Amino acid sequence: GAGVSQSPSNKVTEKGKDVELRCDPISGHTALYWYRQRLGQGLEFLIYFQGNSAPDKSGLPSDRFSAERTGESVSTLTIQRTQQEDSAVYLCASSLSGASGTEQFFGPGTRLTVL
Amino acid sequence: GNSVTQMEGPVTLSEEAFLTINCTYTATGYPSLFWYVQYPGEGLQLLLKATKADDKGSNKGFEATYRKETTSFHLEKGSVQVSDSAVYFCALVMGNNRLAFGKGNQVVVIP
Repeated sequence: GAGVSQSPSNKVTEKGKDVELRCDPISGHTALYWYRQRLGQGLEFLIYFQGNSAPDKSGLPSDRFSAERTGESVSTLTIQRTQQEDSAVYLCASSLSGASGTEQFFGPGTRLTVL
Repeated sequence: GNSVTQMEGPVTLSEEAFLTINCTYTATGYPSLFWYVQYPGEGLQLLLKATKADDKGSNKGFEATYRKETTSFHLEKGSVQVSDSAVYFCALVMGNNRLAFGKGNQVVVIP
């Protein structure tokens, strides 16, 4: 079956512009996560969605970052007024449930470059 | 807070050599521990995991043992192949099943 997909695979934008990144989770997976990986760093958690519960936004680095998810399907991560420090690979993952230890399946990522 | 520390720097070794990648963690309680691998041009994928102290995770010839005494989860493989060249990430699970990752180690296996 299809894995997690993300689009675009690469995005180059100018400082100050808004960008929108998309994630299509594995069908039937109720939990969805966004992470980012800046150069030379490990993955940082950004936000978590589980079913219809309120999302865990505790990892979002600033109010310029927001994310939405419609039900148990597609999610979009929006970064407003992008800054150069936002340049990173943004990874989406999904899991069958949000139970601790449930395997997360990762997408290929979106590489964002802010000029 | 909960965190993971991996040894610094890339690892370069010859085919059939023994591989060790160190990972230590700081955590409240005993979270599940993971090793993820990212092969060139591919997405991150789970390599192995251990859910409680003294558990040993294994897959594809790799092993890691959950050691609470030393708060470690070192990854080992007895005889590496060129196809093992990848970036390896140690991680632990936190609340809401979110993962805290180490910085990763690039492993390059030379024929």
